[in-house]
Amino acid sequence: EVQLEESGGGLVQPGGSLRLSCAASGFTFSSYSMNWVRQAPGKGLEWVSYISSGSNTKYYADSVKGRFTISRDLAENSVFLQMNSLRDEDTAVYYCARDRYGGYGYDYWGQGTVVTVSS
Amino acid sequence: DIQMTQSPSSLSASVGDRVTITCQASQNIRNCLNWYQQKPGKAPKLLIYDASILETGVPSRFSGSGFGTDFTFTISSLQPEDFATYYCQQYDNFPPLTFGGGTKVEIK
Repeated sequence: EVQLEESGGGLVQPGGSLRLSCAASGFTFSSYSMNWVRQAPGKGLEWVSYISSGSNTKYYADSVKGRFTISRDLAENSVFLQMNSLRDEDTAVYYCARDRYGGYGYDYWGQGTVVTVSS
Repeated sequence: DIQMTQSPSSLSASVGDRVTITCQASQNIRNCLNWYQQKPGKAPKLLIYDASILETGVPSRFSGSGFGTDFTFTISSLQPEDFATYYCQQYDNFPPLTFGGGTKVEIK
């Protein structure tokens, strides 16, 4: 069974940092590209970042470029999102999501982890 | 960046109704469009990819069509479990991958 489990969310002050983790299981992790998608309270979905299966391609939304870094560890079957210089507007539920094999579209999602940026 | 305009933003319908949601891209995205369903407090679920292909396990009452800039998502006969928010997403030209604003389907 495919499972994605996020962790690392919490309350942080503006300007602070957090590192989100997503532990993957039930599939060949090295074969799939992965993404982070967020949803601010009461708002719609916003794609945040993408990493290819081999980690050679990484993309970021303009809203987080230069502040967030995506990475993955094949030995741990995990994907990470290092978030620095956090702002109030980064407050959201952060989801880890797997691209469907050979295409784009998130066929499996984690349950989400809540990040709250507030003083 | 490609903008995705989804309409309506909300609708009220009854069980058994046919429901149609549209998504318009600001430029040609070929058939590079996905549709998701999200229920309150839950992660989204992929329903349709490549504009018209039903994801495995998704009921056949859901369908999608369109190419280029105009796309349609249809529920042929609304069921109680279909009350949710639906999002389109383009992936033809990324970054960024962009979502529509969502359509909340409520009970009439």
